[in-house]
Amino acid sequence: NAGVTQTPKFQVLKTGQSMTLQCAQDMNHEYMSWYRQDPGMGLRLIHYSVGAGITDQGEVPNGYNVSRSTTEDFPLRLLSAAPSQTSVYFCASSYGGIQYFGAGTRLSVL
Amino acid sequence: EDQVTQSPEALRLQEGESSSLNCSYTVSGLRGLFWYRQDPGKGPEFLFTLYSAGEEKEKERLKATLTKKESFLHITAPKPEDSATYLCAVQEYGQNFVFGPGTRLSVLP
Repeated sequence: NAGVTQTPKFQVLKTGQSMTLQCAQDMNHEYMSWYRQDPGMGLRLIHYSVGAGITDQGEVPNGYNVSRSTTEDFPLRLLSAAPSQTSVYFCASSYGGIQYFGAGTRLSVL
Repeated sequence: EDQVTQSPEALRLQEGESSSLNCSYTVSGLRGLFWYRQDPGKGPEFLFTLYSAGEEKEKERLKATLTKKESFLHITAPKPEDSATYLCAVQEYGQNFVFGPGTRLSVLP
């Protein structure tokens, strides 16, 4: 049972480049979410999904897109990377209010 | 606006020295308060859920308590392996989770 798997673990981008952060879960959870974690700040919600085909914005959605075509996968797309998007990104799936997090993707935008 | 604060920002303890971490919150209707542990380079790991004032949960050297405005994570006789960042999060009915900034705990041998 792998839980929540995120790829890649590390990524360096140049300003303006685009990329997709992958997230997959094998627990059949309907609720999935993406957070970013910056020093001195709590985890901030970017986007979330309550099931396949349904997504919504969180606290800090600008510059990010998501889709949810299957229960298992919830990719996060950076459309045109900016230095302000340098952060650690966590994907989570949730059941019964408990969130299960992936190991994170550390992203640097130069 | 929902708000979650945690104190202290960082805490250094000697092995065996008990202490408490604080999580203060302001929400209109609390559905649940959650404690997570985060080790460096890893994602947060669930510890406890508390739902109502007066509730307590225990796990090994950790005990979480809840009042109407705050939660405490009590650490009794900590060991070096308890060193981590401890995060609390609240969920309001019909809303998403709001996380606090965390408390970095270091337990020295």
